[in-house]
Amino acid sequence: EDKVVQSPLSLVVHEGDTVTLNCSYEVTNFRSLLWYKQEKKAPTFLFMLTSSGIEKKSGRLSSILDKKELFSILNITATQTGDSAVYLCAVATDKLIFGTGTRLQVFP
Amino acid sequence: DAGVIQSPRHEVTEMGQEVTLRCKPISGHDYLFWYRQTMMRGLELLIYFNNNVPIDDSGMPEDRFSAKMPNASFSTLKIQPSEPRDSAVYFCASSSRGQGLRGNIQYFGAGTRLSVL
Repeated sequence: EDKVVQSPLSLVVHEGDTVTLNCSYEVTNFRSLLWYKQEKKAPTFLFMLTSSGIEKKSGRLSSILDKKELFSILNITATQTGDSAVYLCAVATDKLIFGTGTRLQVFP
Repeated sequence: DAGVIQSPRHEVTEMGQEVTLRCKPISGHDYLFWYRQTMMRGLELLIYFNNNVPIDDSGMPEDRFSAKMPNASFSTLKIQPSEPRDSAVYFCASSSRGQGLRGNIQYFGAGTRLSVL
């Protein structure tokens, strides 16, 4: 059965801290791995990774994929209160398989 | 584009009533997905369509749930009769596989928060 596991489930940090969110997977027919950010409403797309070792960056967020070890990490540097959200990892097969998410809370 | 549009945003109903949720995908997208999200179970895929045809409905929890896509710009998810355990946020998402790997990206609507009393 296809499976995506995220850790930690929850994270509480102070502004300015750096955080690393983890995502491991076991799926057949891997196409790509995606990260989404969900605040109080719909998940919004952050990154899609298809190749190992190539870092994707967007401002303070970056992500990398390891297809040999079957995991990805999402880094957020210099966190801000606006980064507080649930971060969802999903693996694309013929559909998206979502993990349960990591809830990040950033306090001033 | 206006993005994926769902209605209503909130629905409160009584147990036993029929509930219909609506979705308009992004124009030109050929895949449409219905999800349910709860604190306990996270984001679950219920059913998805390709070119208006249901492809995988293995996530539909019971016969009380049904979904249709009569044309490329409209889909409904119906629950009849509704039960309190159906209370959740229901999301619709769409994507376009014609874009190659970028077709894996699903764009979500704002969701319908359903409360069944």
